[in-house]
Amino acid sequence: EPEVTQTPSHQVTQMGQEVILRCVPISNHLYFYWYRQILGQKVEFLVSFYNNEISEKSEIFDDQFSVERPDGSNFTLKIRSTKLEDSAMYFCASSPGGATNEKLFFGSGTQLSVL
Amino acid sequence: GENVEQHPSTLSVQEGDSAVIKCTYSDSASNYFPWYKQELGKGPQLIIDIRSNVGEKKDQRIAVTLNKTAKHFSLHITETQPEDSAVYFCAASIHNAGNMLTFGGGTRLMVKP
Repeated sequence: EPEVTQTPSHQVTQMGQEVILRCVPISNHLYFYWYRQILGQKVEFLVSFYNNEISEKSEIFDDQFSVERPDGSNFTLKIRSTKLEDSAMYFCASSPGGATNEKLFFGSGTQLSVL
Repeated sequence: GENVEQHPSTLSVQEGDSAVIKCTYSDSASNYFPWYKQELGKGPQLIIDIRSNVGEKKDQRIAVTLNKTAKHFSLHITETQPEDSAVYFCAASIHNAGNMLTFGGGTRLMVKP
């Protein structure tokens, strides 16, 4: 069964460093997303991406964050200058477009720890 | 914005019993309500969903009910099995509005053999 894959599964970084979280969405999907879950809190929407541009973003997704689809298969989330409060599990998701576009398929997540 | 509350946060049942998880939402414009199951080390997996034009949907041992007037929806699992043990999340969104899911806080379900 096709699945969303995320790498790395764990990432440790120093405060102020840049990190790139990588995702390979399901191959024929058209919409891509990043969500995050801070420990003990709810899963939160960050951004959605379609047709090589951001379609929606939340208040969390400020200028420190950016997304890119560099090569037609990968979908990345970059955090330019990490803060302690960026420590969270980051989930990538994709959806197929069309009549079933609301069905999101999530990856296993990248646990980001900012020290 | 939308706010989704989920209860209980933990639920322990005996194998074979039923489990019910309840969620409420605040935005009457929300019209799509999925339920996700998250097993240890994995991402959330969609198990069932319901749109606001339907009051109930069933898929084998799981069912979801929706009360639009009261703005609440529930997940029902019958004949629970140990492999149902996981964290379950409800969510709400406005269909065709960017798939910005608003999640509940999650319920840790433990099914004791």
